[in-house]
Amino acid sequence: SQKIEQNSEALNIQEGKTATLTCNYTNYSPAYLQWYRQDPGRGPVFLLLIRENEKEKRKERLKVTFDTTLKQSLFHITASQPADSATYLCALLELDTGRRALTFGSGTRLQVQP
Amino acid sequence: GAGVSQSPSNKVTEKGKDVELRCDPISGHTALYWYRQRLGQGLEFLIYFQGNSAPDKSGLPSDRFSAERTGESVSTLTIQRTQQEDSAVYLCASSLLTGIAGNTIYFGEGSWLTVV
Repeated sequence: SQKIEQNSEALNIQEGKTATLTCNYTNYSPAYLQWYRQDPGRGPVFLLLIRENEKEKRKERLKVTFDTTLKQSLFHITASQPADSATYLCALLELDTGRRALTFGSGTRLQVQP
Repeated sequence: GAGVSQSPSNKVTEKGKDVELRCDPISGHTALYWYRQRLGQGLEFLIYFQGNSAPDKSGLPSDRFSAERTGESVSTLTIQRTQQEDSAVYLCASSLLTGIAGNTIYFGEGSWLTVV
């Protein structure tokens, strides 16, 4: 069966450290993968997109990697701040089906301690 | 509009009643998506529209759920004979084109549905 797995346990780190979140998928052939941030009671907000032929993408303090052999994406926040505390969702667009809508993981909650 | 707008923001309804949830996408966005998010869970795909057509309705949980879009703009998600398991946040999103182009998808703040 197809699955997108994110660590369901919250990730707690100290301010200033690098947070690394993992997204693993099985039985998908994604055209690309996206990362979103979701704050409590709000809709998700797009952060980064990485295509299947790209290894790494950066945007300010954010970095995403995409390994299609391992079927994994890593999402890094460097010099983390308490304001980075939120739930982070990965999502992918599946190539092999006709669906042109994202499939989401269940998200990982990040808590950055001051 | 400036962003994706959803209404109502909160709805409490009695089991068995019908509800309508409305989504106003960003002007000019041809693609519109509906997702459901239960408390503490990820987003569950329901349906998407390319213009006014819905190429993929496979995510709708049962025949009590239906959605339509008119004028390549507003969309309505209707849930008939609501059940308690329908309680969730219903999120609408839009993008300039559908998924393969890799456009940014913009979400609304959701309609919180509670069935009592």
